[in-house]
Amino acid sequence: EAQVTQNPRYLITVTGKKLTVTCSQNMNHEYMSWYRQDPGLGLRQIYYSMNVEVTDKGDVPEGYKVSRKEKRNFPLILESPSPNQTSLYFCACGVSGTEAFFGQGTRLTVV
Amino acid sequence: AQSVTQLDSHVSVSEGTPVLLRCNYSSSYSPSLFWYVQHPNKGLQLLLKYTSAATLVKGINGFEAEFKKSETSFHLTKPSAHMSDAAEYFCVVSFSNDYKLSFGAGTTVTVRA
Repeated sequence: EAQVTQNPRYLITVTGKKLTVTCSQNMNHEYMSWYRQDPGLGLRQIYYSMNVEVTDKGDVPEGYKVSRKEKRNFPLILESPSPNQTSLYFCACGVSGTEAFFGQGTRLTVV
Repeated sequence: AQSVTQLDSHVSVSEGTPVLLRCNYSSSYSPSLFWYVQHPNKGLQLLLKYTSAATLVKGINGFEAEFKKSETSFHLTKPSAHMSDAAEYFCVVSFSNDYKLSFGAGTTVTVRA
């Protein structure tokens, strides 16, 4: 079954404690991306990657890092989380000009 | 630059009545347009997509949307709402040779019994 898998689904952490949210896809898609969803703002792109070792900033990259060492994995790293990064995060993959496939989401709370 | 505006943040309908969710876009190029649905505590599911073929697009669960280039619109409709249609809906624009997706702010649909 084609899927995008994110882990963990829920996470509560404290300010400043580094964390990683993993994302893995089995569709062999070149493109992967991270979004955050906040009420009234829709989804905003954090980072994206068009291929292995190729990443670029989206609309709201501050406070986040990513890496793309393998085609199937695209982890999101928060080196020093802050409360304003409390949000619902989605990983997606796809091909250019067509639809994206989304993971189930990770709800992050930073206290 | 491309952008998407969903004209209603919240739509409330009675079960069995039509649903209309409005979306306008701006794009310098011929866009690809999508509608996604998000049920509570779930991920995003593709409802339908327009990618320069027929302007009237049929999707899952009885939804359809019409691409109107002259009005830069891509409104989503369903003739008869069902309780299971209560969800948040996102209009999304992209254009070919670009991986960026631009999301509208979302429309929350409530269905009254």
